[in-house]
Amino acid sequence: EPEVTQTPSHQVTQMGQEVILRCVPISNHLYFYWYRQILGQKVEFLVSFYNNEISEKSEIFDDQFSVERPDGSNFTLKIRSTKLEDSAMYFCASSDLQNQPQHFGDGTRLSIL
Amino acid sequence: EDQVTQSPEALRLQEGESSSLNCSYTVSGLRGLFWYRQDPGKGPEFLFTLYSAGEEKEKERLKATLTKKESFLHITAPKPEDSATYLCAVPSSGGYNKLIFGAGTRLAVHP
Repeated sequence: EPEVTQTPSHQVTQMGQEVILRCVPISNHLYFYWYRQILGQKVEFLVSFYNNEISEKSEIFDDQFSVERPDGSNFTLKIRSTKLEDSAMYFCASSDLQNQPQHFGDGTRLSIL
Repeated sequence: EDQVTQSPEALRLQEGESSSLNCSYTVSGLRGLFWYRQDPGKGPEFLFTLYSAGEEKEKERLKATLTKKESFLHITAPKPEDSATYLCAVPSSGGYNKLIFGAGTRLAVHP
């Protein structure tokens, strides 16, 4: 069964450094998303991406964050100048159409020291 | 404001002891309700989509139902491998595909 893959599974970074989280969505999907889950809290939406542009973003997704689909298969989340409070699990998801189920990867655990 | 509330927060069952998990939602113009299973350290795994009141979906020991205000996930004769956190999510009323998640129900099934 097709799946969303994310790398790395765990990233440890010093505060103030930049990180890039990578995702390979399911190949025929058109909509891509990033969510995060702080330990013990709800899964929360960051951004959605369709047709090579951001279609929606949350208040969390400020100028520190950016997304890119650099080629036909990868989808990346860049966090510039990381802060301690960016420590969380970051999940990538994809769906083939609007209002269809979003399929999630197993996440990247980001630890900011 | 869009909201998803799940209860109970945690549920402990004996193997074979059936029960139900609740997801109540407040959203304008429901465009689907999604159930996911999340194992520790993993991403949410899609289980079911429900689109209209009265709809039911089944998969093995799980059955999901939907009313105009809430959804139930019924677990029949659970096994220890059903232990996980079960998440409910709805698309936000004002956005495209932004999912609003509940906090989940942590289910533990003991032999």
